[in-house]
Amino acid sequence: NAGVTQTPKFQVLKTGQSMTLQCAQDMNHEYMSWYRQDPGMGLRLIHYSVGAGITDQGEVPNGYNVSRSTTEDFPLRLLSAAPSQTSVYFCASSKGDLSGANVLTFGAGSRLTVL
Amino acid sequence: AQSVTQLDSHVSVSEGTPVLLRCNYSSSYSPSLFWYVQHPNKGLQLLLKYTSAATLVKGINGFEAEFKKSETSFHLTKPSAHMSDAAEYFCVVRNYGNNRLAFGKGNQVVVIP
Repeated sequence: NAGVTQTPKFQVLKTGQSMTLQCAQDMNHEYMSWYRQDPGMGLRLIHYSVGAGITDQGEVPNGYNVSRSTTEDFPLRLLSAAPSQTSVYFCASSKGDLSGANVLTFGAGSRLTVL
Repeated sequence: AQSVTQLDSHVSVSEGTPVLLRCNYSSSYSPSLFWYVQHPNKGLQLLLKYTSAATLVKGINGFEAEFKKSETSFHLTKPSAHMSDAAEYFCVVRNYGNNRLAFGKGNQVVVIP
């Protein structure tokens, strides 16, 4: 049982380049989300999805797009990378939504550097 | 909106001594609270959660936390630190308004042999 799988683990981009961070889960979780982690700031929610075909913005959505065409996959797209997007990105999923204290299962993270 | 405060961004403890990580929350409702641990270059893993059942919550690896409504606190403790406890710890509260999670800024724990 792989859980939440993120690829790539490391990526270096130049300003203005685009890329997609992949996230896949094999637990049949309805809820999926993307966070970014910056030193001294904890984790901040970028986008989330409560099911296939449904996405919504988190607290820091600017510069990122998402889609949810299947239950398993939730890719995060950077259309024109900026140095401010240098961060560690985590994908996380949960059975149901986050009500009732459902817990998140996290991927191992993707470290992105934008030069 | 709910929020959490974690003081002492870096905590050093000697192996075999107690660990105490402080978390204070703000919430208009009875909160759901969590502690997650992140080992170096890994994703976050749930340590324990409070969901209005017993106020003393036991988690994995010998950790526990006590919910104190009067103090709006949910401090994490462990009687005896082990080298494998070196990690970053996050206190998290669920926002009832939109079911989002609010993460604290984290405590980086260093265990001294």
